[in-house]
Formats: sequence, structure tokens, C-alpha cells
Amino acid sequence: QVQLQESGPGLVKPSETLSLTCTVSGGSISSYYWSWIRQPPGKGLEWIGYIYYSGSTKYNPSLKSRVTISVDTSKNQFSLKLSSVTAADTAVYYCVRDGGRFDYWGQGTLVTVSS
Amino acid sequence: QSVLTQPPSVSGAPGQRVTISCTGSSSNIGAGYDVHWYQQLPGTAPKLLIYDNSNRPSGVPDRFSGSKSGTSASLAITGLQAEDEADYYCQSYDSSLSGSKVFGGGTKLTVL
Repeated sequence: QVQLQESGPGLVKPSETLSLTCTVSGGSISSYYWSWIRQPPGKGLEWIGYIYYSGSTKYNPSLKSRVTISVDTSKNQFSLKLSSVTAADTAVYYCVRDGGRFDYWGQGTLVTVSS
Repeated sequence: QSVLTQPPSVSGAPGQRVTISCTGSSSNIGAGYDVHWYQQLPGTAPKLLIYDNSNRPSGVPDRFSGSKSGTSASLAITGLQAEDEADYYCQSYDSSLSGSKVFGGGTKLTVL
């Protein structure tokens, strides 16, 4: 059974860079796409972007200028960086296996942007 | 404003049937892209409920079904149970603006 676990700081200051890592266990990160999805408190889901195990990426156009997703196949991990954050980036961030549909989800991690 | 439009809320009594609509456009559902549905119980991560318009992952009861026609899709839940009370999201792909995976705004299902 594939499991995903997000890790990273729960508090980030405005204008700084949010950094999260997702560790995949129970299966190889190879041969799949891997996405980040976020959910502001009390609101809906927003797709941030995905990475293929080979390193190719695609980002949500609305966030593209601030997002970088990378992969480390040796550690079975992929990561998210979101720069120049504001309070509007406060959300639960999920890492997800992306096989066209999002079939395996991490538990999510709340990241709050505040000084 | 979500690219896919869902009703904010629906409700039904135990045992009843409810449907949740997901309306898109010619750049997403109408273009032939598949629709997937997710169930989010309170305080938990979303769970894949229906994939590729009408398929159920292993373990999802057959009380849940999905369909797609034209620029819309629907999720139907029959024999409503208290445990079905949750938020439901549709998701597809939109080919406009460089392409993006898109979600509906979500529908809160209340079991009366």
C-alpha cells in the first residue's frame, strides 16, 4: 500500500519561501506523476503542480511564477517550494500520487503564513 | 470562482438518493477529459471515490455511481447513510491557459 507523508515548517513568514517534502513509502516513486494540492481553511481544493519521476514538471498557471517542484528518486521523495508567500498561501498542503486521477493522498500539513 | 461548478450544498434523509452535479465547459469536461470524484470526511484528506467518469476504486460501495454527458458530470449516492455526510469534489483537466488540473468548488452533503 502506497503511503505519502508531508514534512516541513508549519509557520512561514510573509515574503519568504515555503518548503515541503513528501516521502513516498510502500512503492517506488518511479513511473508515476506526483502532485501537490492545497486547501485553504474552510475552502476548496487547488492543484499546484506535478512532477514526473524523470523530472518533467507542469504547474498551475496561477502559481507558475512562484512554484518549483523537484524530485529525488534516490530518497523516494519529491518537494515543493513556493516563493514570496502571503497570508493567502495559508493552507493544508497535500502530496498526492497522480495517475490522471489522485489516488493516494498524504494526510496533509497545515502551513500558516504569518509574521 | 471554480472552473467546474458544483452546488454548495445538498441534503437528503437516510435511505434516499441524492445527486451532485459538476458543470464545466468545452475546454474541460466538454472536450472529453475524464471526471473524477473525491469524498472528504471532516478533518481528513480527500479520498478517490469515482475515477474516469464512472469507475469505482476497490472498496467503494456500489451505492456511489458517476456519469458524464456533454459538459457536465454527476455523482449519485443511493441508500444514503449518516457516514456519507462529507464534502464532495469533482476534478478534471482544462486545456485553456496552458492546461491545468481543475476542481469543482465542492459540495457539502448533509444527511438529515
